[in-house]
Order: sequence, then structure tokens, then C-alpha cells
Amino acid sequence: KAGVTQTPRYLIKTRGQQVTLSCSPISGHRSVSWYQQTPGQGLQFLFEYFSETQRNKGNFPGRFSGRQFSNSRSEMNVSTLELGDSALYLCASSFYLWASAGELFFGEGSRLTVL
Amino acid sequence: AQSVTQPDIHITVSEGASLELRCNYSYGATPYLFWYVQSPGQGLQLLLKYFSGDTLVQGIKGFEAEFKRSQSSFNLRKPSVHWSDAAEYFCAVGYNNAGNMLTFGGGTRLMVKP
Repeated sequence: KAGVTQTPRYLIKTRGQQVTLSCSPISGHRSVSWYQQTPGQGLQFLFEYFSETQRNKGNFPGRFSGRQFSNSRSEMNVSTLELGDSALYLCASSFYLWASAGELFFGEGSRLTVL
Repeated sequence: AQSVTQPDIHITVSEGASLELRCNYSYGATPYLFWYVQSPGQGLQLLLKYFSGDTLVQGIKGFEAEFKRSQSSFNLRKPSVHWSDAAEYFCAVGYNNAGNMLTFGGGTRLMVKP
């Protein structure tokens, strides 16, 4: 069974550009969550989608957005990139609605560098 | 606000020695507690989780953790560390009515001396 797939794995952008990251969850999983990982702030929750609906949102500016498609694949978008957006963006999927019910499976991440 | 603290940023142990990684959380009710491991360039892998019941939980790769409500702690232990355990370890907390949103601690980087 394939794991969580994130594309692209690495990308370099310049300030002011926008970026779209993609996440394909494990087959059958309908929950997709996104996290930002930086050396300074650690792992921070961005948002979660379940059945195409955003369920939770972290404390990030409106430049960060996401969506989920009917096949559960998810994308996140960051507009007007800033240097501080350089990070590893991790996607996690779950079969369940609640963290208490089952495991989150993480992808290997998309490493974004903003110059 | 809920928070998770991992007091040790770096820990170095000798191969074969025992290991304990500390985790403290701040939350009013009983949390759902997790330990994840991240190897360089990789995503996170779940080691173990605690939801309720027996406060000593067993995980993969020989790890265990003990939930102590009185100390708001969920420390990770391993009796004998292997060189392949070198990685970064994250404690995380989930909550009722928060879906799959987790709050992570800052992580502890484990180095293993031969």
C-alpha cells in the first residue's frame, strides 16, 4: 500500500512568488492535515481537510490556503512568499476523523526555499 | 492554550545505554499523547500513542512511554539504544473536538555514540 506522497520534494522560489504543494493521501484516507516545520518554530499545524471541508485551521496568515479534492488529494498554496516561509511542509493523512481513533501517516515533505 | 514541552533539545547516549526523553504537556483534560520519530530527510513515524487505560504503553522499535497525570508527563524510554535510533523525536498532543490537529513539542535530537 502506497504511503503519503508529496510533490514536489524540493523547490526554490523567490520572494513575492507563489507556490502550490500537493499531497496524495493513503488510499481510503479522507483526512489530510498540513504542518510547517522550521528550525525556529518547530512543527506547526496549518490546516486539516476532511471530505473536502476544512475542519481546523492553525494560526497562519491568509497567504496560506488549501483545498481538498473529491479524491482526497490536497493542495496547499502560499502566495506572496516571504523569506520566513522557507520550511519543510509536511502532509499527514488519516482514515479517521479524530486523532484519538487512529494514526496519522506523514509524507516525506516538500522542502521550500525562498530566496 | 495547550502546549507541549520537550526540555532536552539534544541528548547523546552510548550505544547499549538506556534512554529517557522527557515530555510535559499543558492541557485541562486528558489528552491524547503521541511520540513520533523523524530521521533526516524523512517524514514522521509514529512510535506509540496513549489515549486511555494502562498508563504504560508499548510501541515499535522497543520503545515504551509512561503517562503520569500528576506530573503532566509522557516520557519515552528505551532500555538499550541502537545506533539506528539516532534521529529527532517529537512528543505531540491531540484533543477532543480538534479532529486530527496535533500540537507538537520542539523535539529532542538523539545522537548515539558507538
